[in-house]
Amino acid sequence: GESVGLHLPTLSVQEGDNSIINCAYSNSASDYFIWYKQESGKGPQFIIDIRSNMDKRQGQRVTVLLNKTVKHLSLQIAATQPGDSAVYFCAENMMDTGRRALTFGSGTRLQVQP
Amino acid sequence: DVKVTQSSRYLVKRTGEKVFLECVQDMDHENMFWYRQDPGLGLRLIYFSYDVKMKEKGDIPEGYSVSREKKERFSLILESASTNQTSMYLCASSTQQGDGTQYFGPGTRLTVL
Repeated sequence: GESVGLHLPTLSVQEGDNSIINCAYSNSASDYFIWYKQESGKGPQFIIDIRSNMDKRQGQRVTVLLNKTVKHLSLQIAATQPGDSAVYFCAENMMDTGRRALTFGSGTRLQVQP
Repeated sequence: DVKVTQSSRYLVKRTGEKVFLECVQDMDHENMFWYRQDPGLGLRLIYFSYDVKMKEKGDIPEGYSVSREKKERFSLILESASTNQTSMYLCASSTQQGDGTQYFGPGTRLTVL
């Protein structure tokens, strides 16, 4: 079936290092992708999105890369800080179908070591 | 800023009770969603609504119902709560004019004893 998944369930990095969180998706028809951050006890928070006509998009300290050839999505966080510790989800959507519901991956926990 | 609020952060109910979870959004979004989140299973869609009085089943609708009488409010109802419905419940909303980005509430942690 169609799925959105993550390669690593837990990622531990040192404060100040760069973090890379990966996501594999299986539906080649997906054309819109979102990264969410969920801190403990809170709801998911939108971080950054990318459409399938792009391969890179940058925000503040975050970059999302999309490789449609291998159906792979990554989130890069520069100079990781303790406040970045959270669970990160990728999600996909198929805009042309008018699909209203996103498909979410299971999440990767990022732990930032001081 | 989009604001999605949920009526309770923590709720404890007994088996067989009828449970109402309320969600309100203030951005005039057409779409509203209810998910449950369990360790190792991620976010699973229970129901969603794309207009007032309209609803569609998600992936796990069994044991739940929903109500959308006003655009800003989407209610999740557990007709007869069971212990396997102990979970974190998340509400989200999105606009139909956008890309589908959903904005989430803080969640309600429901425990059914």
